[in-house]
Amino acid sequence: KAGVTQTPRYLIKTRGQQVTLSCSPISGHRSVSWYQQTPGQGLQFLFEYFSETQRNKGNFPGRFSGRQFSNSRSEMNVSTLELGDSALYLCASSLNPGMNTEAFFGQGTRLTVV
Amino acid sequence: KQEVTQIPAALSVPEGENLVLNCSFTDSAIYNLQWFRQDPGKGLTSLLLIQSSQREQTSGRLNASLDKSSGRSTLYIAASQPGDSATYLCAVTSNTGNQFYFGTGTSLTVIP
Repeated sequence: KAGVTQTPRYLIKTRGQQVTLSCSPISGHRSVSWYQQTPGQGLQFLFEYFSETQRNKGNFPGRFSGRQFSNSRSEMNVSTLELGDSALYLCASSLNPGMNTEAFFGQGTRLTVV
Repeated sequence: KQEVTQIPAALSVPEGENLVLNCSFTDSAIYNLQWFRQDPGKGLTSLLLIQSSQREQTSGRLNASLDKSSGRSTLYIAASQPGDSATYLCAVTSNTGNQFYFGTGTSLTVIP
């Protein structure tokens, strides 16, 4: 079966612009989480969605937002981009949250802010 | 706040050697623990999931153990191969099960 699909794979944006990243979970999975990975901070939790509702949010500024659609696909948006937003953004899908189920990650979107 | 530490940060071994990667966490109230591997510039590949009620899981040459009371997990790789070269990450979920806390990873190099 198809894995977690993230698009686009690579993005180059200019400071001050905004960007939208997309994540399509594994078919049947309803929980989607987003993580930011940087060399200095490692993997940090951004937010988690289940049934179109944000269940949990990490410690990121309000410039980072997301949503989930009725088909479980999720998008995250970063507004007013800063150089420090350059990172690999990873999305994970699981069957349900808090159900002892395995999480599967996509290949990520590499965002470079110049 | 949950903190996850992985030791060593980097490891280089000759092909064929057995090895152990360590993961420790500060809050034992976890839901489960999952081991991942990450190749350079790629996403995470799930290796093993250990639920909080379990003590170990095995998949092929991999064996992971979990000791919740001491806040420790180990990943044992038998008969290492060059293709095992990657960064290995352990992650624990909170007791609400909806957020991973990741370690900083162990970068493994298996020398042919």
